[in-house]
Amino acid sequence: GDSVTQMEGPVTLSEEAFLTINCTYTATGYPSLFWYVQYPGEGLQLLLKATKADDKGSNKGFEATYRKETTSFHLEKGSVQVSDSAVYFCALVQGYSTLTFGKGTMLLVSP
Amino acid sequence: NAGVTQTPKFRVLKTGQSMTLLCAQDMNHEYMYWYRQDPGMGLRLIHYSVGEGTTAKGEVPDGYNVSRLKKQNFLLGLESAAPSQTSVYFCASRMMTDTQYFGPGTRLTVL
Repeated sequence: GDSVTQMEGPVTLSEEAFLTINCTYTATGYPSLFWYVQYPGEGLQLLLKATKADDKGSNKGFEATYRKETTSFHLEKGSVQVSDSAVYFCALVQGYSTLTFGKGTMLLVSP
Repeated sequence: NAGVTQTPKFRVLKTGQSMTLLCAQDMNHEYMYWYRQDPGMGLRLIHYSVGEGTTAKGEVPDGYNVSRLKKQNFLLGLESAAPSQTSVYFCASRMMTDTQYFGPGTRLTVL
């Protein structure tokens, strides 16, 4: 079946550092890919998405490119802020099936 | 437009008690989902529904029942609560292949 693998956290960075959170997937077809963010005490919110190969999703300074050749969807941000501290989930969906989530990566940004 | 709402936000039960969690969405979404989130386990799908009057089992359905009598509501029931069901429960909804939206969560403690 489909699966998503994310780097384990926590990822600890200083403010203004560059962020990369790796995400790779296994899927038989052509999934849509998502990054969700969960701030402390809240539900998950969509951060960005890409629906086909080579698409780049972007939002709030975060970016991720759908790479079919490497089955990856790595999340990047050029300069993180303390307010970016949260748990980040990579996910995929194919057609009408249920979403498949990674286990989440906690990001901690210190001033 | 409230999106996805969940009631209650917090609940403490004793072992053996029953309760129902309510999820409501006002986006006319066909698909609705119940997840539980535990430390280190990511999100696990309990049950889901692909339309009014339909339900299906997810990854961890044991000890839970669901009903979807109205398109906008998805109820999760615990008939006889156990400490292992202490968790944060999230409801989500989506329209076919579109983005999935999450509620704010219900924090349940079973003593």
